[in-house]
Amino acid sequence: EIVLTQSPGTLSLSPGERATLSCRASQSVNRNYLAWYQQKPGQAPRLLIYGASSRATGIPDRISGSGSGTDFTLTISRLEPEDFAVYYCQQYGSTPLTFGGGTKVEIK
Amino acid sequence: EVQLLESGGGLVQPGGSLRLSCAASGFTFSNYAVSWVRQAPGKGLEWVSAISGNGGKTYYADSVKGRFTISRDNSKNTLYLQMNSLRDEDTAVYYCAREVSASGFFDYWGQGTLVTVSS
Repeated sequence: EIVLTQSPGTLSLSPGERATLSCRASQSVNRNYLAWYQQKPGQAPRLLIYGASSRATGIPDRISGSGSGTDFTLTISRLEPEDFAVYYCQQYGSTPLTFGGGTKVEIK
Repeated sequence: EVQLLESGGGLVQPGGSLRLSCAASGFTFSNYAVSWVRQAPGKGLEWVSAISGNGGKTYYADSVKGRFTISRDNSKNTLYLQMNSLRDEDTAVYYCAREVSASGFFDYWGQGTLVTVSS
């Protein structure tokens, strides 16, 4: 089973600042099959990125994904009020599918 | 509009059973693999089980293998999760989620249904 470790656990930033979230895998993720989701309180997760760097439909270009192998990054170039949430990475290159523990982006 | 609507959650005693349903609309249900993903209170996401579009292939997390059974009725556009021998640690919100091209990542999620296992 691939274990995904997200860091930091919490990121305290102000609107307009840049957010950099990390997701590290315990072994290489096949074909960089890595997705990112955003979740707000009381809501279901929302797909942001798949294939490590492809944006899902309707996701603004201030949100981007990068990385390969075992190290992946989600970057939000300029935080908007609606970006404050919890973010999860997920690998789908092998079963079982696994998720990281999440990074909370909170308003400083 | 794609919609997934879970139902069937509730309070159940340890060792008990529960069946969750997920009604799908707005897309050709039989063309998509679907999964159950759960989230314990205040915790992260955990994939539970998946089923192929025609129901011929099923997959389970080790934590539920032998206790949970995933199935689907494509004539009713509905996904099911039969949960037996429930444990305290099965307490969670259970989401159904549609897989993109049977790839393993999810583009649409339901709103979730809460299962509480407690005596």
